[in-house]
This record gives sequence, C-alpha cells and structure tokens, in this order.
Amino acid sequence: DAGVIQSPRHEVTEMGQEVTLRCKPISGHDYLFWYRQTMMRGLELLIYFNNNVPIDDSGMPEDRFSAKMPNASFSTLKIQPSEPRDSAVYFCASSSYTIYFGEGSWLTVV
Amino acid sequence: RKEVEQDPGPFNVPEGATVAFNCTYSNSASQSFFWYRQDCRKEPKLLMSVYSSGNEDGRFTAQLNRASQYISLLIRDSKLSDSATYLCVVNKAPGTYKYIFGTGTRLKVLA
Repeated sequence: DAGVIQSPRHEVTEMGQEVTLRCKPISGHDYLFWYRQTMMRGLELLIYFNNNVPIDDSGMPEDRFSAKMPNASFSTLKIQPSEPRDSAVYFCASSSYTIYFGEGSWLTVV
Repeated sequence: RKEVEQDPGPFNVPEGATVAFNCTYSNSASQSFFWYRQDCRKEPKLLMSVYSSGNEDGRFTAQLNRASQYISLLIRDSKLSDSATYLCVVNKAPGTYKYIFGTGTRLKVLA
C-alpha cells in the first residue's frame, strides 16, 4: 500500500528563496497535517485540513508560511522568503483516525 | 505547563529489562491517546493506541490514568531493536484531530 508521499526528500536553498514542499496523502484519508520537527522544539503542528479545508492554522509561524490543499490527493507547504531558522524536517501526515507520516522533507536554508 | 510532557531520557537499560515511560497531559478533556516510535532520522510510526481500560500488544502495555492525567508505556523483555524515541500523542480537545506530540523519551537498550 502506498503511504504518505512527500517531495522533495532533501532540499538545500539559499536564504530568501521560495521553498515548496509537496505531499500526497493516503487515499481515503480525510485529514491532512503538516508538522515541523527540530531538535529544540520537537514536533510542532503547523496546520491541518479536513476534506481539503484548513481547520486550524494557528501553528503556522508567520506570514511567510502558507499551505494549500487543492484536492484530496495533494497539498503544498510554501515558505517565501525562506530563512535559516526555517531549517527543519517537515512532515506531512494523513489520518482517518490514527496518523500516518510521510518520510519527511529535510530542509536546510543557508 | 506544557500540553504534553515527557522525560527526555535517555533511559539506558540492558537487554531483557523492563522499562516504563510516563507522559502527562494538561487538558483533562482530551480523549485520544497514542504512543508513537521514532527511529533516528525517520518518521514517527504508530506503536499503539491507548484505551481507557489499558491495552497490551505483545511486550508492550499502555495505560491511561485520567485522574492524574498521564499515560504510560511499559516495555517488557527489552530488545536491542527497541532503541528509539517514544512519543506520546494527545488530542488537544474532544472531537478534534488536533494532535499534540510530546518531545519524546529516548530509549537505549544495551547488549
């Protein structure tokens, strides 16, 4: 069975550049989550969607971050402009009850 | 007080030992509880759900104590392969899918 698929797996970008992370959730799951993980702060929930509608984006750090879910099989998390403090692992996850994570997108902003 | 708190460890235990972790949560109305396991540089994976009456899956036992607002994970007969970080997960409010993860407890099982 296909799990949650994220791309890119690794990205190194320069400060000020736009970063787009992509996610394909598990088919049939009606919840999609974006988490960010760092050593200092652990796993933080950024935003989650239900049936493609954003439900809670209170974890989005600032206006530089935006997320969309145009359909049930695709979501993006965009950072514009990126900053070094955005360096982290970004996980997409989907759920119909329990949460299943993708392998993560490892972002380094230099 | 943090919404979900865990002792970061590490817990260093010999193979075959029994080890237990606790996780406290702040919202008494939380209803859904889970334990996840995360290996180094990997994604978190579901270990087990935690039910009100407690539940067991092989060497793993999970308990919920609503009165004291904590969940626990007991691992019996520890294996080297159990070395990982264990994350507890609590939903922020009843009926929501806003899941809050603890920062994890690191376990090292030593040969």
